[in-house]
Amino acid sequence: QKEVEQNSGPLSVPEGAIASLNCTYSDRGSQSFFWYRQYSGKSPELIMSIYSNGDKEDGRFTAQLNKASQYVSLLIRDSQPSDSATYLCAVNMGGKLIFGQGTELSVKP
Amino acid sequence: NAGVTQTPKFQVLKTGQSMTLQCAQDMNHNSMYWYRQDPGMGLRLIYYSASEGTTDKGEVPNGYNVSRLNKREFSLRLESAAPSQTSVYFCASSLLNTGELFFGEGSRLTVL
Repeated sequence: QKEVEQNSGPLSVPEGAIASLNCTYSDRGSQSFFWYRQYSGKSPELIMSIYSNGDKEDGRFTAQLNKASQYVSLLIRDSQPSDSATYLCAVNMGGKLIFGQGTELSVKP
Repeated sequence: NAGVTQTPKFQVLKTGQSMTLQCAQDMNHNSMYWYRQDPGMGLRLIYYSASEGTTDKGEVPNGYNVSRLNKREFSLRLESAAPSQTSVYFCASSLLNTGELFFGEGSRLTVL
């Protein structure tokens, strides 16, 4: 079992809908969590970080963290075709940033 | 602003050959990382250097060695390449070892 798990997808949503991406992790002591976006053929880029339980909003993106359930999620509101990419969840485990396998999101016009 | 620069971008090797992937960052970051990415596997950490003068193993270190040459440069060496090392390799850096990484453009390595 990987230390950081994501549904690989693909997840397909219509334009304007909410996309929900989920991630679970194994290390209960982890304190910092990240979402990266990777367009096809490109390198990953950081879009959200979250350190405390609850929600963190940044524009159309909301990251949610529940440390008791060891669960992190990313919501994308008003999804656009330009959001089509692979979304990678990452967890800082004792100084090592461990990634999940990524969820491929496709937003259909 | 170059950010994180990796060379080469493409390389084809034969089994048993050796090579070094070079990485340099110009952001005065303290921490540097090497990941590999394979289809369906996400990014897997090979080695990282939390600060100049230190290196640590990641998830998949076997078959690789690294050198933190100075604060700017972090190289990855394959001593005897194997087909299982065919992958896209990403170098990344961060100001502190917190998880906010900046990635290079990647190096695609094929081992025949």
